[in-house]
Amino acid sequence: DSGVTQTPKHLITATGQRVTLRCSPRSGDLSVYWYQQSLDQGLQFLIQYYNGEERAKGNILERFSAQQFPDLHSELNLSSLELGDSALYFCASSPHPREKLFFGSGTQLSVL
Amino acid sequence: QKEVEQDPGPLSVPEGAIVSLNCTYSNSAFQYFMWYRQYSRKGPELLMYTYSSGNKEDGRFTAQVDKSSKYISLFIRDSQPSDSATYLCAMIIQGAQKLVFGQGTRLTINP
Repeated sequence: DSGVTQTPKHLITATGQRVTLRCSPRSGDLSVYWYQQSLDQGLQFLIQYYNGEERAKGNILERFSAQQFPDLHSELNLSSLELGDSALYFCASSPHPREKLFFGSGTQLSVL
Repeated sequence: QKEVEQDPGPLSVPEGAIVSLNCTYSNSAFQYFMWYRQYSRKGPELLMYTYSSGNKEDGRFTAQVDKSSKYISLFIRDSQPSDSATYLCAMIIQGAQKLVFGQGTRLTINP
């Protein structure tokens, strides 16, 4: 168990809908990262927060947004969902940027 | 061209074999190198973390970094069926925030 908790584990929704994925980092970790993993694209970095502030952005679509709250948990919001958004979404945390990442078990999103 | 290239495999070897997994990268600014193991439908878990060129050993696993060739390797000795997983290399530029992953190599160890 990495200590990173993601909910829900599975999410099935329809195109055009909006969903929220939640992540609780390991105790004491200030950095939270979101990654998307699909079969053809591998593990793609979406966005990173450090102590509530956005630190880095990757290939995150404008339809996606994220935030990190004062208690350090993070949420990834996906809106106007498309079939191609179906993927595993991972959250990871680390004590400090550039340190080892610890991954959660992921949320499997299926858009039908 | 991707920043990090990794052969996706699949790679299938008999139990007990020595496994060699490799990644190449294009950006000489990458300073920290990692190998993650990912079992099916699970999150990646960190296996090895190295900074300098050379070898780092941990049990049956050896990570090798050759910065001059922009090439990193992971060796698994005495491979076991429980080593069957996808192995992802990852690297980060000093001062940067983003960890860049390879595509991952799917490995199967046959009993």
